[in-house]
Amino acid sequence: RKEVEQDPGPFNVPEGATVAFNCTYSNSASQSFFWYRQDCRKEPKLLMSVYSSGNEDGRFTAQLNRASQYISLLIRDSKLSDSATYLCVVNMRSNYQLIWGAGTKLIIKP
Amino acid sequence: NAGVTQTPKFQVLKTGQSMTLQCAQDMNHEYMSWYRQDPGMGLRLIHYSVGAGITDQGEVPNGYNVSRSTTEDFPLRLLSAAPSQTSVYFCASAGQGAWETQYFGPGTRLLVL
Repeated sequence: RKEVEQDPGPFNVPEGATVAFNCTYSNSASQSFFWYRQDCRKEPKLLMSVYSSGNEDGRFTAQLNRASQYISLLIRDSKLSDSATYLCVVNMRSNYQLIWGAGTKLIIKP
Repeated sequence: NAGVTQTPKFQVLKTGQSMTLQCAQDMNHEYMSWYRQDPGMGLRLIHYSVGAGITDQGEVPNGYNVSRSTTEDFPLRLLSAAPSQTSVYFCASAGQGAWETQYFGPGTRLLVL
């Protein structure tokens, strides 16, 4: 079983719609959680951190469910520019090593 | 600021050849790391450094060496390239106390024949 699992997609979503995807992690003692975004053939970039109380940044909302060991990302009013792969990242062991999911590909269609 | 820079952008090697992937950052970051990204897999940590003169192994260190003689530079050496090392390599850096917030270079695409 992978330590961090994501649905690879692709999620094909019309512009303006709301889309959500989850990421599950295996270690219940995991400490920190993040969503990174990666455009095609580009480097990953931090999108947002995921706090225990949730985190909202404009159209993006991230939530953590420790009991079920997953984090989620919700994108409202999706834009064409939201098309990318979204990477779930977990700090499981606090030894300077992040564990990365393989990513969920999102395609926003006009 | 240029941020994190990597050279070369693309490289083709023959099996058994050695090479060095360069990485530099101008943000005075203490933490630097090297990842490889393969299709269908998450980024995997090769080596990392928490400061000049300090390096440590990540998840997949075999076949790679690193050194950190300055804060700015963190080169990755492939000792004897193998086809299994065909991948996209990313260098990242992060500030002291915020190592989880990593800034990535544009990547190096390596093909080993």
